[in-house]
Amino acid sequence: AQTVTQSQPEMSVQEAETVTLSCTYDTSESDYYLFWYKQPPSRQMILVIRQEAYKQQNATENRFSVNFQKAAKSFSLKISDSQLGDAAMYFCAYRSPLMNYGGSQGNLIFGKGTKLSVKP
Amino acid sequence: EPEVTQTPSHQVTQMGQEVILRCVPISNHLYFYWYRQILGQKVEFLVSFYNNEISEKSEIFDDQFSVERPDGSNFTLKIRSTKLEDSAMYFCASRGDREGGSEAFFGQGTRLTVV
Repeated sequence: AQTVTQSQPEMSVQEAETVTLSCTYDTSESDYYLFWYKQPPSRQMILVIRQEAYKQQNATENRFSVNFQKAAKSFSLKISDSQLGDAAMYFCAYRSPLMNYGGSQGNLIFGKGTKLSVKP
Repeated sequence: EPEVTQTPSHQVTQMGQEVILRCVPISNHLYFYWYRQILGQKVEFLVSFYNNEISEKSEIFDDQFSVERPDGSNFTLKIRSTKLEDSAMYFCASRGDREGGSEAFFGQGTRLTVV
């Protein structure tokens, strides 16, 4: 079974600085998808960024980028120019490829999350 | 922008009572999910639903849980006889297509408190 580990329960960053959140995962699959979700105090789950395992290029979305190391099974999130609105829980998640019959139907496996605080 | 809507936002129920949590997924989506998050813990997968039937479920999703899509728009999670440990946030999510990397859109969650 796949597992996702986030080893940093809490992180803190100064506004405008850069912070990196760590995520490692364990899988025997060669093709899969990785996601970072943000959960602000409102508890809504918001997709931040996604990465397809078959793509070597690291995904980037504005101030958010990932460092995907497939061999090391590592998927860290870098937030540049941190803003007060970035303060939230961040969850790393894994998804297997869809199976036509039985098996994975696209559910996400989440890590325990990292609580990010942003200091003004 | 289309969104997943969940009702109620907060429900308090007595232990042993039945509860139904409701979700309206995005209208053209094909895959539907329920997740739960016990306070302070990670988000856990409960069940996925596709083509009007359960396609996958976790160990958590035992006989006290059931899901339905009664009218083609609502997607409900029923807990037949609630226990104290069922207290959690319950999230509904939907996805549009079979592409594995497609985004799952989450609702804002229902906070269930069992007393």
